[in-house]
Amino acid sequence: EIVLTQSPATLSLSPGERATLSCRASQSVSSYLAWYQQKPGQAPRLLIHDASNRATGIPARFSGSGSGTDFTLTISSLEPEDSASYYCQQRLSWPLTFGGGTKVEIK
Amino acid sequence: QLQLQESGPGLVKPSETLSLTCTVSGASISGSNYYWGWIRQPPGKGLEWIASIFYSGRTYYNPSLKTRVTVSVDMSKNQFSLNLNSVTAADTAVYYCARPQQQSVGGCFDIWGQGTMVTVSS
Repeated sequence: EIVLTQSPATLSLSPGERATLSCRASQSVSSYLAWYQQKPGQAPRLLIHDASNRATGIPARFSGSGSGTDFTLTISSLEPEDSASYYCQQRLSWPLTFGGGTKVEIK
Repeated sequence: QLQLQESGPGLVKPSETLSLTCTVSGASISGSNYYWGWIRQPPGKGLEWIASIFYSGRTYYNPSLKTRVTVSVDMSKNQFSLNLNSVTAADTAVYYCARPQQQSVGGCFDIWGQGTMVTVSS
C-alpha cells in the first residue's frame, strides 16, 4: 500500500499570500497524483489530476507540480474562499490511498 | 449531467450490517468502463477509499476493510451498492459514492455524491 504524507497539517495565511502544500509518497507514484479541496459539509472537489493538470473550472491560481514521490500544490494568491482542507490521492495502484490532509486557514 | 446520490439508513446498530446504495443519473453504468467507488470520512478526519467496482462486477477493496465489505452493481436500476458487516463505532462516517475521471483504471474522482452520514450506535 502506498502511504501519502501531507504537510503541514495546518497552514494559516493572509489573503493574497502564496500557499505551498506538500504531499510525499512512500514509493513512486509517477505522475498519478491528484489534489482535492474540501469545505465543511461538502464533498471533495477535484482540483488537480495527474500531478499538474487542473480539473475543469478550477482557477489558474491553483497549480500542481512534482513527480515520483514529492508533490506540491500551490495556491498563488489566496482568496478567502480558499479556506478549506486539501487532500492528495494516488491512483497508480490499488488500494487507492489519500493523504491525511492539510487545513488552510485564511487570517 | 451525471449525478450520484447515496441512500440508506442513517443509524446502524453495532455488529449489524451497513447497507448503502448509490443511484446514478445522467449516464448508464452498463458499459461505462468506470470503476465506481465508495469513499468514507469519519467526523473530523480524512478520506478513506473503501472499494471500487466495474460494471462487469470486478471489484477492488481496501485491505483494511476487505473481510467486511462487499460491493455490487445492479445495472437494471443503474445503481451500485455497499455492504459493510460487523460494524462498530469506528465505522461512523460520511459515506460518499464517486466516479473516477479515468476509464478502466483506478482513478481520481471528479464526480461525487453529496454524501450520507451513517452513525453506528445502539
